Amino acid sequence: GQNIDQPTEMTATEGAIVQINCTYQTSGFNGLFWYQQHAGEAPTFLSYNVLDGLEEKGRFSSFLSRSKGYSYLLLKELQMKDSASYLCAVSSNDYKLSFGAGTTVTVRA
Amino acid sequence: TAGITQAPTSQILAAGRSMTLRCTQDMRHNAMYWYRQDLGLGLRLIHYSNTAGTTGNVEVPDGYSVSRANTDDFPLTLASAVPSQTSVYFCASSLTSGGADTQYFGPGTRLTVL
Repeated sequence: GQNIDQPTEMTATEGAIVQINCTYQTSGFNGLFWYQQHAGEAPTFLSYNVLDGLEEKGRFSSFLSRSKGYSYLLLKELQMKDSASYLCAVSSNDYKLSFGAGTTVTVRA
Repeated sequence: TAGITQAPTSQILAAGRSMTLRCTQDMRHNAMYWYRQDLGLGLRLIHYSNTAGTTGNVEVPDGYSVSRANTDDFPLTLASAVPSQTSVYFCASSLTSGGADTQYFGPGTRLTVL
């Protein structure tokens, strides 16, 4: 089966930086996705990594190391609206997504 | 644009009753998926369809069935609901079933089975 681990909760202050780690053990690898999910809403796409390295999109960046089975999502200049759950998902050999349980980020003023 | 819609938004269902959760997308995506999301477990794939006319299941198919008669619609049916099927159900779609395509999610259906 697929195993995807990420921390359950993180708290940070408005304007700060938070890094959400994700480690995975899967049957093959066809890319890693990060999604954002606000309470009571649908997950929305944030980023996709398939090659090693850093992908930057405004305040959000995502990093991948395939040899280590590791990724992180970096949220910079945190805003109150960034309070949400962040889901790490891996596409494996069967091209289906396996999701981690999600990391709930709380941004405090 | 509508994107992907689900109905109903929420439902309370008596155990043993049947129910169909509806999902429609207008993006002409080939692949569609059904997930359930439970606290502490994350999203789990129930059924998928790579293209109209085909379906498959992965993690938790028991008690669920799907059909894919056309590109746009992908209903999920619970033949005889049980309390363990209480969950939030999300439908998703992607352009193809290839691993690099982003999946887009509907707003979800909150189902409670009593």
